[in-house]
Amino acid sequence: NAGVMQNPRHLVRRRGQEARLRCSPMKGHSHVYWYRQLPEEGLKFMVYLQKENIIDESGMPKERFSAEFPKEGPSILRIQQVVRGDSAAYFCASSRNDRGEGYTFGSGTRLTVV
Amino acid sequence: QKEVEQNSGPLSVPEGAIASLNCTYSDRGSQSFFWYRQYSGKSPELIMSIYSNGDKEDGRFTAQLNKASQYVSLLIRDSQPSDSATYLCAVNRGGGADGLTFGKGTHLIIQP
Repeated sequence: NAGVMQNPRHLVRRRGQEARLRCSPMKGHSHVYWYRQLPEEGLKFMVYLQKENIIDESGMPKERFSAEFPKEGPSILRIQQVVRGDSAAYFCASSRNDRGEGYTFGSGTRLTVV
Repeated sequence: QKEVEQNSGPLSVPEGAIASLNCTYSDRGSQSFFWYRQYSGKSPELIMSIYSNGDKEDGRFTAQLNKASQYVSLLIRDSQPSDSATYLCAVNRGGGADGLTFGKGTHLIIQP
């Protein structure tokens, strides 16, 4: 039973390009969460999605960032016109329910903006 | 604003001793509490979850929750060098539409 799968593991983008980060939840999990971790910082919640629905995006910047979790396929976190401050580790997690039970993190995508 | 506070450390503990990690949270509506371990460059790994007041033990780990004091702790008995990592405290309101709120983590160093 594969865990939460994120790809790519490492992503390098030039300033102004778009970054697309993918997350496939664990089998049987329908709740997906995206977090950002800056160096020496804790994880900051960005967005919580269920299939085809954004439930809570209160932690996501209003501009340049978007997320989706289509009926088929992985969840996508999209960052448009990346800036150096977007460089961070982006973690996806999935859970069985909204109490956080079975919460499992993927291995993360490390985005570097040059 | 929901906040989770942890001492960033580093907390240095001799091998074989008990490591005590503490966490306070501001949201009284929090229902679920978690401790994660994160090695440098790796993803967080769930160590313990606790939902009701009191102690919960799992092997060398004991989580303690006091909702009245809004306080969560993690005890690690017989500390091993492999326990050296950053420990993240996280809380969740539960039953609603939010993710986990994390503290910044405590860096634990077990000295051989």
